Amino acid sequence: AQKITQTQPGMFVQEKEAVTLDCTYDTSDPSYGLFWYKQPSSGEMIFLIYQGSYDQQNATEGRYSLNFQKARKSANLVISASQLGDSAMYFCAMREEGTSYGKLTFGQGTILTVHP
Amino acid sequence: DAEITQSPRHKITETGRQVTLACHQTWNHNNMFWYRQDLGHGLRLIHYSYGVQDTNKGEVSDGYSVSRSNTEDLPLTLESAASSQTSVYFCASSQIPGTSGYNEQFFGPGTRLTVL
Repeated sequence: AQKITQTQPGMFVQEKEAVTLDCTYDTSDPSYGLFWYKQPSSGEMIFLIYQGSYDQQNATEGRYSLNFQKARKSANLVISASQLGDSAMYFCAMREEGTSYGKLTFGQGTILTVHP
Repeated sequence: DAEITQSPRHKITETGRQVTLACHQTWNHNNMFWYRQDLGHGLRLIHYSYGVQDTNKGEVSDGYSVSRSNTEDLPLTLESAASSQTSVYFCASSQIPGTSGYNEQFFGPGTRLTVL
């Protein structure tokens, strides 16, 4: 079974609008972390945001926020006020602390295109 | 500034040849990881290490090996390159649990390997 599922192969958004990229996960480990990475066309992996399973509040980093719904096992990335430079591939990843110390399991990614 | 570097950035080789991809980090991180990125699969873990002399197999380890003789380096060796190993390879590192650097995994710039 897929541990991380990103159901949107591609998303389009108008510049300055908000966009939500979906991510659902599957784990029986009570302690885990959820990550989002951005991969622009240049290929590097850029860390965006982290959410721990025990964190009470949703993580935020500038224009990025993580909508963490533990009961639904979802960790959607919200980008507010989209910019042209946000066009990239976005990956959701999970780290299971009990069984996969340090290791990340990635979803297949979502390609985001921001239109002017 | 601390960084993680990979070399070469691009490599073309022939089937059956042995290939070694270098990864060097100056973060002084204990944890190091090798992933491969293929269309439709996201990033998948090949091998990882939690410290000097420690190496472990990941999800897609067949045909690959690693060794860890110091903290800074984790070279990845393809024993006998196959066309199925044509991919983009990423090295990553992170700190140990309980430290401020644990909740971010830093990635190198990637190596694009083509096996003909």
